[in-house]
Amino acid sequence: KNQVEQSPQSLIILEGKNCTLQCNYTVSPFSNLRWYKQDTGRGPVSLTIMTFSENTKSNGRYTATLDADTKQSSLHITASQLSDSASYICVVSSINDYKLSFGAGTTVTVRA
Amino acid sequence: EAQVTQNPRYLITVTGKKLTVTCSQNMNHEYMSWYRQDPGLGLRQIYYSMNVEVTDKGDVPEGYKVSRKEKRNFPLILESPSPNQTSLYFCASSPRDRSGTEAFFGQGTRLTVV
Repeated sequence: KNQVEQSPQSLIILEGKNCTLQCNYTVSPFSNLRWYKQDTGRGPVSLTIMTFSENTKSNGRYTATLDADTKQSSLHITASQLSDSASYICVVSSINDYKLSFGAGTTVTVRA
Repeated sequence: EAQVTQNPRYLITVTGKKLTVTCSQNMNHEYMSWYRQDPGLGLRQIYYSMNVEVTDKGDVPEGYKVSRKEKRNFPLILESPSPNQTSLYFCASSPRDRSGTEAFFGQGTRLTVV
């Protein structure tokens, strides 16, 4: 069964600091990997999408990396802000179908 | 504005009383799907639709029905809701494109079955 594992489950950081979230997956054959940000009680919003040939993609203070060989991805948040407090979800899709495999998410809390 | 709209946002109902959660998208997307999200678990797919009149079961379809009579609408039907269907539900849509386009999510429907 295709799986997406995220770590850590949660983390707390001080405003202005950096943090890195991890995502390991077993989805095969791989199509693309997405990182979503989900504010409490709201729908997920896309941050980045990466296909097999992409190693790094940035969206403002968010930088995602992908190693398709080891099936690992990371999301780096630079100079965190209070508004970064949210759940970050790693989503992987297979080239065979449109089904998305979701990680359980990492809850980030940024404190002043 | 491109969006996926779900209604209602909040719903409290009693066991066994049929209900429908509506989902509408204005982006002319072929692919639509329903997910439920429970504490500690990732989003789990309930049903999806590749196009009008084409629907298929996701990972947790038991107790749910869907229909896709029009491209823009994809309602989720609970014929006889039970307390274990208390959850946060999301509808999503995306173009029929395998190059990696993103899915757009609605704002969610928080359902409580008592």
